[in-house]
Amino acid sequence: EVQLLESGGGLVQPGGSLRLSCAASGFTFSDYALNWVRQAPGKGLEWISVISADAERTYYADSVKGRFTISRDNSKNTISLQMSSLRAEDTAVYYCAKDRDAYRNFDSWGQGTLVTVSS
Amino acid sequence: DVQMTQSPSTLSASVGDRVTITCRAGQNINSWLAWYQQKPGKAPKLLIYKASSLESGVPSRFSGSRSGTEFTLTINSLQPDDFATYYCQQYNSGPWSFGPGTTVEIK
Repeated sequence: EVQLLESGGGLVQPGGSLRLSCAASGFTFSDYALNWVRQAPGKGLEWISVISADAERTYYADSVKGRFTISRDNSKNTISLQMSSLRAEDTAVYYCAKDRDAYRNFDSWGQGTLVTVSS
Repeated sequence: DVQMTQSPSTLSASVGDRVTITCRAGQNINSWLAWYQQKPGKAPKLLIYKASSLESGVPSRFSGSRSGTEFTLTINSLQPDDFATYYCQQYNSGPWSFGPGTTVEIK
């Protein structure tokens, strides 16, 4: 059974930094790209970043480009999202999501971790 | 960037009803469209991929179709477990965008 478990969320002040992690199990981790998708309170889903299976390629939504960095460790079956220069509008539940196949649709999701940016 | 729209934003229906949700892409995305179901406080769940392919384990009352840049999710004989919010998502090109969602409520 595929499992994705996010951690690292919490309350942070505007301009601050936070690092999220996602621990994966139940599949061959190094075969799949992994994503971060977020959902602001009461709002819809927003894809924000993806890292390829071999960690060679990363992509970001314009809303986070230059502020967030995605990385992965295939020896530890984990991905991370380093978030800096956080803004109130970054407040959201952050989900880790696995690509279903070679295409960017998501067949497995974590339970999410809440990031609140507030003074 | 590909803009995705959904209609209606909210839908009231009864158990046993046939429900149709429409998603439109702002440009051609071929059949690279997925549908997700999300319940309050839970992660989304993949229902349909490649416009009309049913994800493993998803009940057959869910189906998807495509006509050009218009996509449809149909739920035949709505069940109590189906009251949720549904999102479409295009994966033809980055950034990989979602529709705004359609909430299916109990009538």
